[in-house]
Amino acid sequence: LAKTTQPISMDSYEGQEVNITCSHNNIATNDYITWYQQFPSQGPRFIIQGYKTKVTNEVASLFIPADRKSSTLSLPRVSLSDTAVYYCLVGDMNRDDKIIFGKGTRLHILP
Amino acid sequence: NAGVTQTPKFRILKIGQSMTLQCTQDMNHNYMYWYRQDPGMGLKLIYYSVGAGITDKGEVPNGYNVSRSTTEDFPLRLELAAPSQTSVYFCASSYGRNWRAGEDEQYFGPGTRLTVT
Repeated sequence: LAKTTQPISMDSYEGQEVNITCSHNNIATNDYITWYQQFPSQGPRFIIQGYKTKVTNEVASLFIPADRKSSTLSLPRVSLSDTAVYYCLVGDMNRDDKIIFGKGTRLHILP
Repeated sequence: NAGVTQTPKFRILKIGQSMTLQCTQDMNHNYMYWYRQDPGMGLKLIYYSVGAGITDKGEVPNGYNVSRSTTEDFPLRLELAAPSQTSVYFCASSYGRNWRAGEDEQYFGPGTRLTVT
């Protein structure tokens, strides 16, 4: 069961770096870790994906320790527009659970 | 590219009515998905398709049917609508790259907000 656990909600201030950690103790050897962002009344949008170590793109960084049992999404210098729900996925279509979107983390950025 | 488009944006159904939610993608993706999202909750997979003519059940398929006659279209059919089907429905598509390991990136449509009363 590729289940993930992440905080229900987080608050931060504009200009701060925000780190959201996701636990996935039962991650399988071949599984990738993917993060999506969802604004109200919109569909989720892909942010970043990784398998091990560190991945960085123009939006975020993803840190994955050697044991891969957790991962941390890092958003540098957040703005009000980063207020959204962030989902951590460890997908494996081989298993009965299919693709699992949990409740995600509601990030609220304050001015 | 328009990406993933869904129609209608909103719909109100009476209990027992039927309707089809339309989904079209213009990215030539092989894989397509239907999710539902209840208020304050994550997305739950209803059905998915790995190519034209092939569909499979997701986590919550009861009360729904799908078909995939073309690569572009993946309609979702609700028969005998019930209040429990009140939700926001999202269609998504992907290439299917290393799909079983979750390496694939999904592209989502804007959603259809359905109310059954």
